[in-house]
Amino acid sequence: AQSVTQPDIHITVSEGASLELRCNYSYGATPYLFWYVQSPGQGLQLLLKYFSGDTLVQGIKGFEAEFKRSQSSFNLRKPSVHWSDAAEYFCAVGGQTGANNLFFGTGTRLTVIP
Amino acid sequence: EPEVTQTPSHQVTQMGQEVILRCVPISNHLYFYWYRQILGQKVEFLVSFYNNEISEKSEIFDDQFSVERPDGSNFTLKIRSTKLEDSAMYFCASSARGKGEKLFFGSGTQLSVL
Repeated sequence: AQSVTQPDIHITVSEGASLELRCNYSYGATPYLFWYVQSPGQGLQLLLKYFSGDTLVQGIKGFEAEFKRSQSSFNLRKPSVHWSDAAEYFCAVGGQTGANNLFFGTGTRLTVIP
Repeated sequence: EPEVTQTPSHQVTQMGQEVILRCVPISNHLYFYWYRQILGQKVEFLVSFYNNEISEKSEIFDDQFSVERPDGSNFTLKIRSTKLEDSAMYFCASSARGKGEKLFFGSGTQLSVL
């Protein structure tokens, strides 16, 4: 069965520090992988996605993620966090075959302290 | 960036009442979705809609739920007889194409069933 695990419910980092948000997925076929961000009162905004090819994917707002098939992971990283990055981050997996829906993790809330 | 708009932002209803959640997808998009997020839980897929019919639905989307695209611009989710457990944030999304395509999400409708 498809599933996504985000083991960190809440992370706090200092502004300017590096960030890594963890995501592990379970999917029987070749996955599509996504990271979405949700700011308060906003919808889900796509940060980046992985379909195939280069396993290091660049996204918007300076984020990147690396697909590691052997670890079933798709961790999100940013070298230097800004206060405006405080939000909820969701990892999601979809299938390259079969159903078109996405399976989301429970999210990681990021707090940025000055 | 184009936006998916949802109205109302917050809906309060009595148990057993019918509610209609409204969404205006991005104008040239062809695929439409509803997701929901119960407080503290994962974002869950409800249904996808393409070419004026449901293309996929989850186990959550039972006979109490229905979707409609009544006029070529709106996309609605109707809950016929609401239950307490229907209380959640409901997200509408749309995409230009199907599988793996970027989903644009609205900011959600918070449904509270009393």
